[in-house]
Amino acid sequence: AQSVSQHNHHVILSEAASLELGCNYSYGGTVNLFWYVQYPGQHLQLLLKYFSGDPLVKGIKGFEAEFIKSKFSFNLRKPSVQWSDTAEYFCAVNAAGYGNNRLAFGKGNQVVVIP
Amino acid sequence: DAGVTQSPTHLIKTRGQQVTLRCSPKSGHDTVSWYQQALGQGPQFIFQYYEEEERQRGNFPDRFSGHQFPNYSSELNVNALLLGDSALYLCASSPGQGSTDTQYFGPGTRLTVL
Repeated sequence: AQSVSQHNHHVILSEAASLELGCNYSYGGTVNLFWYVQYPGQHLQLLLKYFSGDPLVKGIKGFEAEFIKSKFSFNLRKPSVQWSDTAEYFCAVNAAGYGNNRLAFGKGNQVVVIP
Repeated sequence: DAGVTQSPTHLIKTRGQQVTLRCSPKSGHDTVSWYQQALGQGPQFIFQYYEEEERQRGNFPDRFSGHQFPNYSSELNVNALLLGDSALYLCASSPGQGSTDTQYFGPGTRLTVL
């Protein structure tokens, strides 16, 4: 089974600061990787995903993530955050293959951006 | 295009009772998954339904059961409720069972067990 670790559960930063959230997974096979975001009062939304190809993937709202296979990592980044980026961010993984789209989530990062 | 919808929004039950939660998938989606999200935790996979059958199951006891209807909507049933079952229950739908079939989440049902 896959497992996901997210560190620094609570992050507080000022507008225009850079954001990087770490995500490490454990699984010996090929994986697909996801970042979901939950804005206050809203449901989980997909931010970006990686299946194969270029390990640097770009998502919505200026977010990007880099897959480093050797480190089992999929870190999320944004060069300059806005107050509207205040949300909870979840990293998730599944095992590549048909019939395997169940997701294993990390515990999440609560990010607060101060205006 | 309606996304994933869930009902009810909130529910309060007492220990030992039974509860049924409902989910309608996004249009065009035939696969429904259920997740439990305890406070301060990430969602945990309960099970997945496809073609009206349970296809995958997470580490949850048999008190948790489900059903999928011909119109792809789904129910989650929990029997003999425990205090520890208090959580946000999320439904997610996808256009298939493939690992690259992205899951879209509903707003969730907040269950409180007293």
